[in-house]
Amino acid sequence: KQEVTQIPAALSVPEGENLVLNCSFTDSAIYNLQWFRQDPGKGLTSLLLIQSSQREQTSGRLNASLDKSSGRSTLYIAASQPGDSATYLCAVRPWDNYGQNFVFGPGTRLSVLP
Amino acid sequence: EAQVTQNPRYLITVTGKKLTVTCSQNMNHEYMSWYRQDPGLGLRQIYYSMNVEVTDKGDVPEGYKVSRKEKRNFPLILESPSPNQTSLYFCASRIAGAGTDTQYFGPGTRLTVL
Repeated sequence: KQEVTQIPAALSVPEGENLVLNCSFTDSAIYNLQWFRQDPGKGLTSLLLIQSSQREQTSGRLNASLDKSSGRSTLYIAASQPGDSATYLCAVRPWDNYGQNFVFGPGTRLSVLP
Repeated sequence: EAQVTQNPRYLITVTGKKLTVTCSQNMNHEYMSWYRQDPGLGLRQIYYSMNVEVTDKGDVPEGYKVSRKEKRNFPLILESPSPNQTSLYFCASRIAGAGTDTQYFGPGTRLTVL
């Protein structure tokens, strides 16, 4: 059964720093991997979607990489800002059950200090 | 505006009192699902629906029911709520199928069962 873990569970950095969030999954048979942002009291917002055939995706200051063979993905945030403070979740879409379900990690809570 | 709406946003109830959380999307998506989020456990899928009148269990379906009579609506029903169902609930929708399949999430419903 697919399991997703995220390290660290929480991270606090000063404004302006570059940072990396990590996501690991146990089964490399996936359709895609998606990074989400969750703000307190709000739903999830999709940040980046990486298909299994891709190695990385970029959007603005965000870059997500995928190494399917090792079961890892990283989310790189450049020049962090206080507005980046949120919980970041990764989710994989497994091949089983025709890839209909998503498996989420527990998230990394990021605080960017001004 | 494309969105997923949930009601109510907050609910406090007592053990055994039947309740329904509504979910509606305006994007004509075939696929809809319900998740619960608990500290340290991430999001876990309760039920999902591939289309009207087609529903299936996710990872934690016990104590929940769903229905999909219309494409846009996917209510979550707790026939006899118990305190272990106290959680943050999210509804999500997406286009069914492979390819670009970003999930759109509702704002969440915080349920407390006393």
